[in-house]
Amino acid sequence: KQEVTQIPAALSVPEGENLVLNCSFTDSAIYNLQWFRQDPGKGLTSLLLIQSSQREQTSGRLNASLDKSSGRSTLYIAASQPGDSATYLCAVWGNNRLAFGKGNQVVVIP
Amino acid sequence: DAGVIQSPRHEVTEMGQEVTLRCKPISGHDYLFWYRQTMMRGLELLIYFNNNVPIDDSGMPEDRFSAKMPNASFSTLKIQPSEPRDSAVYFCASGGGVGNEQFFGPGTRLTVL
Repeated sequence: KQEVTQIPAALSVPEGENLVLNCSFTDSAIYNLQWFRQDPGKGLTSLLLIQSSQREQTSGRLNASLDKSSGRSTLYIAASQPGDSATYLCAVWGNNRLAFGKGNQVVVIP
Repeated sequence: DAGVIQSPRHEVTEMGQEVTLRCKPISGHDYLFWYRQTMMRGLELLIYFNNNVPIDDSGMPEDRFSAKMPNASFSTLKIQPSEPRDSAVYFCASGGGVGNEQFFGPGTRLTVL
């Protein structure tokens, strides 16, 4: 069974600093990996999707890397802003299902 | 497209009552997923459909839960009878295929008293 871990569960950073969020998974046989953002009381918004054949994806200030062999992905958010405060979830597609981590709750302090 | 639509957004009911949650996926998406989110367990996949056919229901907790997809634009998740431990946020998501990007609805917050 695929296990997805995100550590730490919560973190705070001052505005302007770069954010680094880590995701690890136990089974490297994945189709792809997806990062989501969830605001309190809201649904999930897809941020980036990395196919298993790719090493990274970029969208604006966001960059996600994937290392299948080590079972890791990292989400970088450059020059963090208070509006980046949210919970970020990592999910991996494998074995015909999407397995989620429990998320990193981020607070960006103005 | 309006995105994935779920109704109701909030549901409060008493133990033993039947609850029906509804979902309209994004037009053209062949896959529909039902998830449950709780603080303790995070996001769990309950069941998913491909072209209206249930493919994997191994995440459905027990026989009290059932899901249907009568056509490509509508799905329901039913709980009968409901119990307090069913209290959670239930999300519906749709996508173009296994391994494709998934798009989530706003969720239904269910409280069973």
